[in-house]
Amino acid sequence: AQSVTQPDIHITVSEGASLELRCNYSYGATPYLFWYVQSPGQGLQLLLKYFSGDTLVQGIKGFEAEFKRSQSSFNLRKPSVHWSDAAEYFCAVGSRNSGNTPLVFGKGTRLSVIA
Amino acid sequence: NAGVTQTPKFRVLKTGQSMTLLCAQDMNHEYMYWYRQDPGMGLRLIHYSVGEGTTAKGEVPDGYNVSRLKKQNFLLGLESAAPSQTSVYFCASSRWDFPRGYTFGSGTRLTVV
Repeated sequence: AQSVTQPDIHITVSEGASLELRCNYSYGATPYLFWYVQSPGQGLQLLLKYFSGDTLVQGIKGFEAEFKRSQSSFNLRKPSVHWSDAAEYFCAVGSRNSGNTPLVFGKGTRLSVIA
Repeated sequence: NAGVTQTPKFRVLKTGQSMTLLCAQDMNHEYMYWYRQDPGMGLRLIHYSVGEGTTAKGEVPDGYNVSRLKKQNFLLGLESAAPSQTSVYFCASSRWDFPRGYTFGSGTRLTVV
């Protein structure tokens, strides 16, 4: 069964600094991968997804992520963080081989942004 | 376009009471899901449905029941609420084809006292 690990529970960055949130997955074949963002009191919103093709994917709000098969990783990056990026971020993995299997989510990384 | 709508948004129940959470989607999605979110636990799948009239158990199904009588609606029931069911509940829906990205509702905050 697939699994997702987000090693960092909480990260604090300064506004304007770069950001990288880590995501590692466990899956026997090539998965498809997502990053979602949850602002306080809100539902989850899709930031970006990887299914096939270019391993560097661009998302909304200036985020990007890179799929690295050799490292089983799908880390989320942003070159310059804004205060409005403070939220919780979830990585999720899906199975291509089992048609009905739901996504598996990581436990999330909470991002705080300081001035 | 409303997307995924959850009702109610907030609810307080007494231990032993029952209630139903409603999820409605207007995107003609085939698949629907119920998750609960607890601090430090991330999202845990309760039940899901791959089509009208079909449901399946997720990671934490005990104490919950679900029904999908209509394609656009997915109901989550608590027959006898317990304090351990205090949580934020999220509904999501998706198409059947890949990549199966989810659209989430805004959540229901349930407190069982």
